[in-house]
Amino acid sequence: DTEVTQTPKHLVMGMTNKKSLKCEQHMGHRAMYWYKQKAKKPPELMFVYSYEKLSINESVPSRFSPECPNSSLLNLHLHALQPEDSALYLCASSDGRLGSGSYNEQFFGPGTRLTVL
Amino acid sequence: QKEVEQDPGPLSVPEGAIVSLNCTYSNSAFQYFMWYRQYSRKGPELLMYTYSSGNKEDGRFTAQVDKSSKYISLFIRDSQPSDSATYLCAMRGMIYNQGGKLIFGQGTELSVKP
Repeated sequence: DTEVTQTPKHLVMGMTNKKSLKCEQHMGHRAMYWYKQKAKKPPELMFVYSYEKLSINESVPSRFSPECPNSSLLNLHLHALQPEDSALYLCASSDGRLGSGSYNEQFFGPGTRLTVL
Repeated sequence: QKEVEQDPGPLSVPEGAIVSLNCTYSNSAFQYFMWYRQYSRKGPELLMYTYSSGNKEDGRFTAQVDKSSKYISLFIRDSQPSDSATYLCAMRGMIYNQGGKLIFGQGTELSVKP
């Protein structure tokens, strides 16, 4: 199974709502990532988890809160978002077990398209 | 100056053409070079992965890395309409504690016309 799944596919939320995005992989990967992608732009890294510990936070506002409950699951909790946070949110995973090179082949999920009203 | 420069296109070619996509970069510490393909409204898909300099071929796709010129290329032979997508180059250095942070180019939008 070489698939990263994400739910929901689409999400519309108001600025006062709390919602969560979910990501799952069953490839035994130990590194998982959240990216944000705006239209016609490359993905921007938000967070990296390595062995279920947060290893990189790219100065993301606190209204985005990541969580890694176990090695297969990654969540992104959303609260008090702004309309400019509307984007495609991508989850990815990579092996992360065999030294520096094992982080490179990142497998991406299909993304959650988020609209903040 | 961005660390990675990629012409955003759009690039339009007829079916069967050879396509050349390129990125230049400024950081000589980059050692790993990737090409991702992203169809509209989908997540990126890893196409090619190269370590350091040299060529790598996979079917109709060839990736080239010239570290002396800080230049990487992706060639697509016998292009098909199904190759129409955005192609993103990505790269990173060896530093372990960067935890897999890739530096992406802006992406080139390719359209292959039947």
